[in-house]
Parts: sequence; structure tokens; C-alpha cells
Amino acid sequence: AQSVSQHNHHVILSEAASLELGCNYSYGGTVNLFWYVQYPGQHLQLLLKYFSGDPLVKGIKGFEAEFIKSKFSFNLRKPSVQWSDTAEYFCAVSPNNAGNMLTFGGGTRLMVKP
Amino acid sequence: DSGVTQTPKHLITATGQRVTLRCSPRSGDLSVYWYQQSLDQGLQFLIQYYNGEERAKGNILERFSAQQFPDLHSELNLSSLELGDSALYFCASSAYGATNEKLFFGSGTQLSVL
Repeated sequence: AQSVSQHNHHVILSEAASLELGCNYSYGGTVNLFWYVQYPGQHLQLLLKYFSGDPLVKGIKGFEAEFIKSKFSFNLRKPSVQWSDTAEYFCAVSPNNAGNMLTFGGGTRLMVKP
Repeated sequence: DSGVTQTPKHLITATGQRVTLRCSPRSGDLSVYWYQQSLDQGLQFLIQYYNGEERAKGNILERFSAQQFPDLHSELNLSSLELGDSALYFCASSAYGATNEKLFFGSGTQLSVL
């Protein structure tokens, strides 16, 4: 069975700081990778996803993530965060042949100070 | 608004009881997923339905069951409730349940078992 680890549980940044949230997964086969975000009081929504091709994926709101197969990692980055990025971020994986049966990481709570 | 509706938003009940959580998918979506988010287990996939049929099963307890009705809404039934079942239960939907589809999540039902 696959598993996902997000090493940072809480991150506090000032506006304009750069962000990198770590995500590592374990699975022996081909996976699809996702980052979801949950803003305060809102539902989970997709930030970006990787299925194949260019390992550098660009998502909404200036976020990007890089798939490094050799490291089993899919870290999320943003060059300059804004106060409105305060949210909880979830990394998720699904085996390539398992539809949308996602396995989520434990989440990282990001607080951006104005 | 994701278009996925979950009711009720909050539910408080006692151990040993049975509850039913309801989910209405986005208009046109045939596939419904249930996830459980708890403090100790994180976000876990429970079960997926597609057009009324069970498609995939995750870490769903035998005390839990689900179904998808002809009008495509889904219900998650939790019985013989235990304190540890207290969690946020999310429903999500997608068009056909395929790997490359985006999931749309509801706002969740917060279950508290006292």
C-alpha cells in the first residue's frame, strides 16, 4: 500500500517569503501526484496534479511542484507567498491504475503573516 | 462553491448509535467518493461508487456501509458508533471516476461521538 509523508506540520512565513512544502511518498509502481488546498472554512480544492510528462507542474495561484522520481518526492513551491495563501495543504497520491483512490499526507498548516 | 453538497454539517451522537451522512454530487458527476479525516489517521479514502455500483474500497470498517442511489446521491451509514469514529467525513465527486479527473469536495460532515 502507498503512503505519503509531509514533514512540515506547521509553517509560519511572512508575506513575500518563498515557500517549499515537502512531500514524499512510498509506492512501488507508477503514481499520480496531487496537491490540494483547504482555505479556512472552505472545502478541499485541487492546486495542481502530475500524471506524466514535464516533472515541473504549474498550478493555480502561482504554485508549482516538481516530481523527482529518484527521491519519491513532489514538493510544492511558491516564490512569494501572500496572506491569502494561509491554508492547509495536502499532498496526495494515487496508483496509476486505481482511479481517484487518493492517499493523502497528514497536511501542512501554513500561516502567512501580513 | 464546489457543487458537492453534504448534510448535515454537524452531527452529535452517542456511542452505539447509528447515523447516516448524505452527499449530493455535482450535477452530472457519476462517481462519488467518501473520505474520513481524523486527527490521528489524517485523510483516508473509504469507498467509491460509480453510477450506483461500488468501484473501490479503502480503509472502511465493517460497521460502515455506503450506497449510491439512482439519482446519484450517496449515503454513508455508520453504525455501532465508537468514540474513535469522531471525525470529519468528506464526500467528493468526479465525472466518471477516471484517474485523470479532478475531484470536487464537499464541505464535510463533522461527526462527534460522545
